[in-house]
Amino acid sequence: RKEVEQDPGPFNVPEGATVAFNCTYSNSASQSFFWYRQDCRKEPKLLMSVYSSGNEDGRFTAQLNRASQYISLLIRDSKLSDSATYLCVVNSGWEYGNKLVFGAGTILRVKS
Amino acid sequence: GAVVSQHPSWVICKSGTSVKIECRSLDFQATTMFWYRQFPKQSLMLMATSNEGSKATYEQGVEKDKFLINHASLTLSTLTVTSAHPEDSSFYICSAILTSGTQFFGPGTRLTVL
Repeated sequence: RKEVEQDPGPFNVPEGATVAFNCTYSNSASQSFFWYRQDCRKEPKLLMSVYSSGNEDGRFTAQLNRASQYISLLIRDSKLSDSATYLCVVNSGWEYGNKLVFGAGTILRVKS
Repeated sequence: GAVVSQHPSWVICKSGTSVKIECRSLDFQATTMFWYRQFPKQSLMLMATSNEGSKATYEQGVEKDKFLINHASLTLSTLTVTSAHPEDSSFYICSAILTSGTQFFGPGTRLTVL
């Protein structure tokens, strides 16, 4: 079983749609959680950190459920520019060398 | 956010040659940097952890004699792919970590070995 699992998609949605991505992780000792965005042939860029209380940044809302080891990302009012691969990323903490483990990514395509 | 640069951004070389890739943290000091590799349509895979002033820590399956890492200063880590072969062609990305634990990635180096 992969350490971080995501639905690869692609998710094809019209502009203005709401779309949700899910992610599960296997290491219960994981300390911090992130969503990164990666555009084609570019490096990943931090979209947002994910907290147990849930957090929102504009049109993006992230949720973490530690008991279920589940992370989600909700994008409201999708824009064409949101088209990218979204990576669920887990950090096991300083004790384990602060290594990031990446999911394979979920592809989002927003169409006009 | 913090800025990490990589050089070169792309390189094409002949099989058997060695290629050096530099990773620099431009506006902060990083005692730890990470090197990743990404093949087409796959996720980033951690190759090694680069520690300033000490030996790098390699992930299982990554040959330390083939992928030489040097972290000589708090702002520079280098990855040298020795005797490169076509199967080493990939997107190599470094990252540097802040004390908060957030990692920032360099823009990546696309290596093509002919």
